[in-house]
Amino acid sequence: KNQVEQSPQSLIILEGKNCTLQCNYTVSPFSNLRWYKQDTGRGPVSLTIMTFSENTKSNGRYTATLDADTKQSSLHITASQLSDSASYICVVRSSGGSNYKLTFGKGTLLTVNP
Amino acid sequence: DAGVIQSPRHEVTEMGQEVTLRCKPISGHDYLFWYRQTMMRGLELLIYFNNNVPIDDSGMPEDRFSAKMPNASFSTLKIQPSEPRDSAVYFCASIKQGVGNTIYFGEGSWLTVV
Repeated sequence: KNQVEQSPQSLIILEGKNCTLQCNYTVSPFSNLRWYKQDTGRGPVSLTIMTFSENTKSNGRYTATLDADTKQSSLHITASQLSDSASYICVVRSSGGSNYKLTFGKGTLLTVNP
Repeated sequence: DAGVIQSPRHEVTEMGQEVTLRCKPISGHDYLFWYRQTMMRGLELLIYFNNNVPIDDSGMPEDRFSAKMPNASFSTLKIQPSEPRDSAVYFCASIKQGVGNTIYFGEGSWLTVV
């Protein structure tokens, strides 16, 4: 069964600090992995998308890594800001023609305090 | 582009009533998805369409749920009759097929069934 596990479930950090969120998946066959940010009361917004051959991808202060061998990904947030407070969701797509089945993690709820 | 547009944003209805949620995908996108999000289960795929044709409806909980996409710019998700356990946020999302393309989510329809 395809699964995506995220850790920690929740995290509280002080403004300006760095943090790393983890994602382990058992989706097969693998196509790509996406990280989404979901602000409270809003829809998820894409941060990064990584394919099998990509190890690292950055989007501003967000850096995602992917280890396809161990089926792990991380999202590193540098110099956190209050606006980073949100839920971060890891999503993995399995490959297969026009199949668009995505497996979602339950998210990590990040709170950045002043 | 205005993004994926959903309506209503919020709905409170009584058990047994019919609920219709609406979605306008981004112009040119050929896939449309309906998701449900709850605290307990996270984001779950209900159904998705490719070029207006339903591809996978295995996530639709039961016969009370139905979805249609009469044309490329409009889709509905209907619940009849509604029950309190249907209370959740329902997201519509769309994407244009292509490597590395991003799925765009609407802002969600917050449904409360009392």
